Amino acid sequence: DQQVKQNSPSLSVQEGRISILNCDYTNSMFDYFLWYKKYPAEGPTFLISISSIKDKNEDGRFTVFLNKSAKHLSLHIVPSQPGDSAVYFCAASARRVNQGGKLIFGQGTELSVKP
Amino acid sequence: KAGVTQTPRYLIKTRGQQVTLSCSPISGHRSVSWYQQTPGQGLQFLFEYFSETQRNKGNFPGRFSGRQFSNSRSEMNVSTLELGDSALYLCASSKYGGGTDTQYFGPGTRLTVL
Repeated sequence: DQQVKQNSPSLSVQEGRISILNCDYTNSMFDYFLWYKKYPAEGPTFLISISSIKDKNEDGRFTVFLNKSAKHLSLHIVPSQPGDSAVYFCAASARRVNQGGKLIFGQGTELSVKP
Repeated sequence: KAGVTQTPRYLIKTRGQQVTLSCSPISGHRSVSWYQQTPGQGLQFLFEYFSETQRNKGNFPGRFSGRQFSNSRSEMNVSTLELGDSALYLCASSKYGGGTDTQYFGPGTRLTVL
């Protein structure tokens, strides 16, 4: 039972363009959503998060959008840079991570940004 | 501030053996979670420890166990290894009740079972 799904295993975009990574979830109890970036041979690195009381959160080039009714979130990277090439994981939790929330991860989307 | 450290980084074992992996969280972090990453299944939650108590558990067989010490360091043990246990095992720590709302991951231990 995959509660968090990233249906695109890979995405290729041109440098300078927008990258849009999508994530769907099925559990309506999820209230916190996070995006992580992972390079080979390293652990995931936190990028950005959003709670269910918001529909948008921005941090520099990264923006996460949440559509609760559709149980869908997306990560926008603008402009995309070659250094953004990595695997991106979407994760969800029913409680705040720092209060014992358990993260459920999607399968990941491998982003490749071409110069 | 030092990040999450995991030892060893690489491990090769044979079927039927057991293995113990170690994780040292970021100083001041009291919650430690373990995840298994495989190509087909992504990152799957194993268990979480807080103040030496297992607080959350994922859907893994009893061969997978863990513990946390009073200094918040954690160990994970897998007994009777199977080929399918070959994976990257990631440890993550978080600061219960405060700090940023995220878990910080270590580099992982790559376990290969032959």
